[in-house]
Amino acid sequence: KQEVTQIPAALSVPEGENLVLNCSFTDSAIYNLQWFRQDPGKGLTSLLLIQSSQREQTSGRLNASLDKSSGRSTLYIAASQPGDSATYLCAVRRASGTYKYIFGTGTRLKVLA
Amino acid sequence: NAGVTQTPKFQVLKTGQSMTLQCAQDMNHNSMYWYRQDPGMGLRLIYYSASEGTTDKGEVPNGYNVSRLNKREFSLRLESAAPSQTSVYFCASSEFTDTQYFGPGTRLTVL
Repeated sequence: KQEVTQIPAALSVPEGENLVLNCSFTDSAIYNLQWFRQDPGKGLTSLLLIQSSQREQTSGRLNASLDKSSGRSTLYIAASQPGDSATYLCAVRRASGTYKYIFGTGTRLKVLA
Repeated sequence: NAGVTQTPKFQVLKTGQSMTLQCAQDMNHNSMYWYRQDPGMGLRLIYYSASEGTTDKGEVPNGYNVSRLNKREFSLRLESAAPSQTSVYFCASSEFTDTQYFGPGTRLTVL
């Protein structure tokens, strides 16, 4: 059974720091992996999607990497800003031909001004 | 371009009452999903519809039914609400296995 873990559950950093959020999954047979951002009381916004054949994806100050063999993905945020404060979730889609996504429980990030 | 819309935004039910959560998307996506989000549990898939005319169970389908009314609309029905169904419900859509787009959520309380 696929399990997705995100550690730490919460993180506080000063503005301007570069930071890394972690996502681990137990079954390496994945089709793709998505990183999302969720603001309090809101829905999820997709940040990056990495296909299983890719090693990384970049969008602005965000860079997501994928290492299927070790069951890990990281989301790198450069030069963090208070506006980056949110909960970040990763989700994996299994390669079994279904449309089921398994989500981690998220990392709650606070960037201090 | 509204994306994914959900109604209602908030709802309070008594145990045993029924209700339908509505979801619509205007992105011409084939696939739609219903999730629930609970503290400490993350998002869990209730049901999904890979394409119009098909529906399949997710991780936690018990106590729920769905209808893919047409390509745009995917509804979730609670036939006899229970306190364990108190949660935030999210609808999402995607073009098959591509990026998922989420609605704003429905916050449901069952007393």
